[in-house]
Amino acid sequence: GQNIDQPTEMTATEGAIVQINCTYQTSGFNGLFWYQQHAGEAPTFLSYNVLDGLEEKGRFSSFLSRSKGYSYLLLKELQMKDSASYLCALRGTGGYNKLIFGAGTRLAVHP
Amino acid sequence: EAQVTQNPRYLITVTGKKLTVTCSQNMNHEYMSWYRQDPGLGLRQIYYSMNVEVTDKGDVPEGYKVSRKEKRNFPLILESPSPNQTSLYFCASSTTPGGSEQYFGPGTRLTVT
Repeated sequence: GQNIDQPTEMTATEGAIVQINCTYQTSGFNGLFWYQQHAGEAPTFLSYNVLDGLEEKGRFSSFLSRSKGYSYLLLKELQMKDSASYLCALRGTGGYNKLIFGAGTRLAVHP
Repeated sequence: EAQVTQNPRYLITVTGKKLTVTCSQNMNHEYMSWYRQDPGLGLRQIYYSMNVEVTDKGDVPEGYKVSRKEKRNFPLILESPSPNQTSLYFCASSTTPGGSEQYFGPGTRLTVT
């Protein structure tokens, strides 16, 4: 089976940097996604890591370490609009490669 | 505009009254899924479809049915809704299995009393 852990809630200050961690236990997976979800809205794609290392995309970066069962999403220069939930998801192996989502981390950015 | 649409967006119904939530995508995606989202549990897959007339159960299929008669449409059917099916439902589509990037519909908030 697969188990994904994320902190339930985090708070940060506008303009700061925040790191949202995701740890997992799995027998195998093809990659790890991060999605952003504003309250009451649909999740939207942020990043996808297949190999170990850091993927940078503007203010957002995502890191994966397969050996440590660990990923993080780094948000720089925080803005109020970054207040949202951040979902970590594993892409499984097998015919359908289905996604297994963590419960998400709710980030509140304050002035 | 590439999108996934769902209807209705909000629905309040009573136990046992059959309902259908429609889902349609205009991106010619082969793969479509239904998820439910509940507080503290994250998104859980209900059913998925790999192509027309090909559907299979996800992690929480009990009480739900789906059909895929056309590539663009993937309706979710609740034959006899119960209060434990009160949830936020999302339809999603993608070009490849499990992603590379899933496109989600706007969500349907269902309340069963």
